[in-house]
Amino acid sequence: QMQLQESGPGLVKPSETLSLTCTVSGGSISLADVYWGWVRQAPGRGLEWIASIDYTGRKSSNPSLRSRVSISVVTSKNEFSLRLRSVTAADTSVYYCARHDDLHFMDVWGTGITVTVSS
Amino acid sequence: QSVLTQPLSASGTPGQRVTISCSGSTSNIGSNFVYWYQQFPGTAPKLLIYRNTERPSGVPDRFSASKSGTSASLAISGLRAEDEADYFCAVFDDGHDNLSRRWMFGGGTRLTVL
Repeated sequence: QMQLQESGPGLVKPSETLSLTCTVSGGSISLADVYWGWVRQAPGRGLEWIASIDYTGRKSSNPSLRSRVSISVVTSKNEFSLRLRSVTAADTSVYYCARHDDLHFMDVWGTGITVTVSS
Repeated sequence: QSVLTQPLSASGTPGQRVTISCSGSTSNIGSNFVYWYQQFPGTAPKLLIYRNTERPSGVPDRFSASKSGTSASLAISGLRAEDEADYFCAVFDDGHDNLSRRWMFGGGTRLTVL
């Protein structure tokens, strides 16, 4: 059964770059018609899609975050990563990685990682 | 602020049927499939409904959904205490050009079982 696991620092200073990695186990990241995405949830708030990428590097991102977001994939490690630049307190959230496809949208999720932006 | 509008809260007693609405526009619900997620505090969302009305294996048939025009709804029949959770709708928004296309989630509805 496929599992996803987020990793990265839980605390980032304002104006710095948030970097997270999602490791995929129990299956290959190199699947046709499958995307790998990031979603975040601020405390007590709803869900916000950040960006998605497939194994070829084809990517898409939320227009509201696009200027600060980078997403990448390393197929040899079966992992994909997120970088969010120039963070502020508003970026404090639980960050989830997830698998999605055209049929199910996001059907397999990581457990989430809490990232706090604070000096 | 989400452009997919859900009620902040909903409630019902055990055994009742409750519905949760998700209101959008022609560029999202009116044009694309709707998905529904269930989330318990401190856990990741779980897919409940895909492509408007379909249930993944393992999701009880007490959960059903529909879509009409620019609105969608999730129905839970035979309400149980274990259904108390947050529920989110999700849909792709076509935007006004290629650069404004994005996936969107509703603001979420907290379901309370009284």
